[in-house]
Amino acid sequence: QKEVEQNSGPLSVPEGAIASLNCTYSDRGSQSFFWYRQYSGKSPELIMSIYSNGDKEDGRFTAQLNKASQYVSLLIRDSQPSDSATYLCAGDLSGNTPLVFGKGTRLSVIA
Amino acid sequence: EPEVTQTPSHQVTQMGQEVILRCVPISNHLYFYWYRQILGQKVEFLVSFYNNEISEKSEIFDDQFSVERPDGSNFTLKIRSTKLEDSAMYFCASSVKTPTNTGELFFGEGSRLTVL
Repeated sequence: QKEVEQNSGPLSVPEGAIASLNCTYSDRGSQSFFWYRQYSGKSPELIMSIYSNGDKEDGRFTAQLNKASQYVSLLIRDSQPSDSATYLCAGDLSGNTPLVFGKGTRLSVIA
Repeated sequence: EPEVTQTPSHQVTQMGQEVILRCVPISNHLYFYWYRQILGQKVEFLVSFYNNEISEKSEIFDDQFSVERPDGSNFTLKIRSTKLEDSAMYFCASSVKTPTNTGELFFGEGSRLTVL
């Protein structure tokens, strides 16, 4: 069973801190990874995509990919209460397949 | 900004009834998807659609489910005879390319289906 694994949380951080969200995946053939944010009762909203090893930065967000360790992470700098949501990691396991989602990590940013 | 639109936002139906959920994907996107999310659980893939045919489907997408692109803009999901366990949020998504070709999935707001 090809899987994307995430710690369900909740992860609580104070406002202004760095939030670190982690994800592992089971299939070495995976090529593309995505982080989505989902507010309660809403649809997933794409935050970042990452396809190659290393870091990718976009504003306050940095995605990190390590294919050797089968590990993806998302860092949120200067966390704000509005960042409180569930963060979904998704990957195209085995390549050329629809995205498989993790269960998500619930982030709570405390003002 | 272009977006995926879905109707209805919420539908309540009796067990055994047919339900059709509708989606209008982003206009220049070629790949279309249905996912579902049972309350408190993960987002699960149902089916993908490209060039007017199903390209992939999951074990969830059994004979009770069907998809159609009837008129070049709408993309529909039909559940022939609903069961209690079909109660979930159904998300439509579209992308320019498959995810392995740097395509990113954009989701609609979802249709909440409640089966009584």
